[in-house]
Amino acid sequence: QKEVEQDPGPLSVPEGAIVSLNCTYSNSAFQYFMWYRQYSRKGPELLMYTYSSGNKEDGRFTAQVDKSSKYISLFIRDSQPSDSATYLCALPSGYSSASKIIFGSGTRLSIRP
Amino acid sequence: GAVVSQHPSWVICKSGTSVKIECRSLDFQATTMFWYRQFPKQSLMLMATSNEGSKATYEQGVEKDKFLINHASLTLSTLTVTSAHPEDSSFYICSARWSGGSNEQFFGPGTRLTVL
Repeated sequence: QKEVEQDPGPLSVPEGAIVSLNCTYSNSAFQYFMWYRQYSRKGPELLMYTYSSGNKEDGRFTAQVDKSSKYISLFIRDSQPSDSATYLCALPSGYSSASKIIFGSGTRLSIRP
Repeated sequence: GAVVSQHPSWVICKSGTSVKIECRSLDFQATTMFWYRQFPKQSLMLMATSNEGSKATYEQGVEKDKFLINHASLTLSTLTVTSAHPEDSSFYICSARWSGGSNEQFFGPGTRLTVL
């Protein structure tokens, strides 16, 4: 079983729709959760991070963590064509600066104008 | 702040030659840098963890003699692909983690390597 599972998509939705992106993880030791966005032929950029179960909101983006189910989600409200990218969930394996980050496979999202 | 650059952004080379890719943290010191490889439509695969002043730690299946990593300063790490072959063609991305201990990794823009 992979440590982090993510549906690769592709996912195509119309502009203005609410998008739900999800990951599951197997190791309950993960305590810190991140979402990265990667545009084509670019490096990933950090979108959001959270430590605890529950929701964290930042503009049109909401990160949700359910530690009991080992399930994390990223919601995008009022989706825009500029949101079209690959979204990767990411879980650091520890708290030190040398800790590896385990990435999901990424979900390719396309927002149709 | 927190900018990571890579050079070159793309490179084409002949099979059997070596290619060096640089990763620099421009406005912060990075004790640890990471090198990833990403094939088309796939996620990032960690190749190695590079610690300033010490030997890199390679992931299982990554040949350390083929992918030479040097982290000579707190702002520069290099990856040299030796005796490159067409199957090494990929998108190589580095990231740097701030020495202050934050879990955030700042990624470079990537280097696209094409081996003919």
